[in-house]
Amino acid sequence: EIVMTQSPATLSVSPGERATLSCRASQSVRSNLAWYQQKPGQGPRLLIYGASTRATGIPARFSGSGSGTEFTLSISSLQSEDFALYYCQQYNYWWTFGQGTKVEIK
Amino acid sequence: QVQLVESGGGVVQPGGSLRLSCTASGFSFRSYAMHWVRQAPGKGPEWVAVISFDGSNQYYPDSVKGRFTISRDNSKDSLYLQMHSLSAEDAAVYYCATEAPEKFLKYWGQGALVTVSS
Repeated sequence: EIVMTQSPATLSVSPGERATLSCRASQSVRSNLAWYQQKPGQGPRLLIYGASTRATGIPARFSGSGSGTEFTLSISSLQSEDFALYYCQQYNYWWTFGQGTKVEIK
Repeated sequence: QVQLVESGGGVVQPGGSLRLSCTASGFSFRSYAMHWVRQAPGKGPEWVAVISFDGSNQYYPDSVKGRFTISRDNSKDSLYLQMHSLSAEDAAVYYCATEAPEKFLKYWGQGALVTVSS
């Protein structure tokens, strides 16, 4: 099983600031990496796939980078609606998820 | 727009069974592979099952293999998850999700809560 490790567990950021979330895979997943946003009581919402491609309707302030085992999700200027849980997921070999990063208001 | 609505969640005793349903609309259901993913309280999501677009192939992780069965009825735009021998470790919100051609999970439902308790 490919283990996905996200850091930090919690990120405290002020509105308008930049947030950087990390995700590490236990073995290479090439660029088969997605990022999801989840808010309380809702299912995950796809943000990024292919490590760096924004899904339809996702604002340009969200960007993804990386390949192999190291990945990053950046949110350039946090808006109020961006405070949520974020998960990375690999789909190179079956499907596994990270434990999540909570982005909270500082 | 794409809509996935799960139903059938509830409280079940340890060792019991439950069947979840997912009704799809807004896209060509019969053209896409579909997944079930679960999320225990305070945990990251866990993939549970996948079924091919025509229902001919199903795959499961070891944690549910032999106990869970995924199926679909393309004439009803519906996906199912039959669960047996449930234990406390199976308690979670269960989501259905569509698989994009590139294999990531594109659209998700709102989830159905499964509680395992005596």
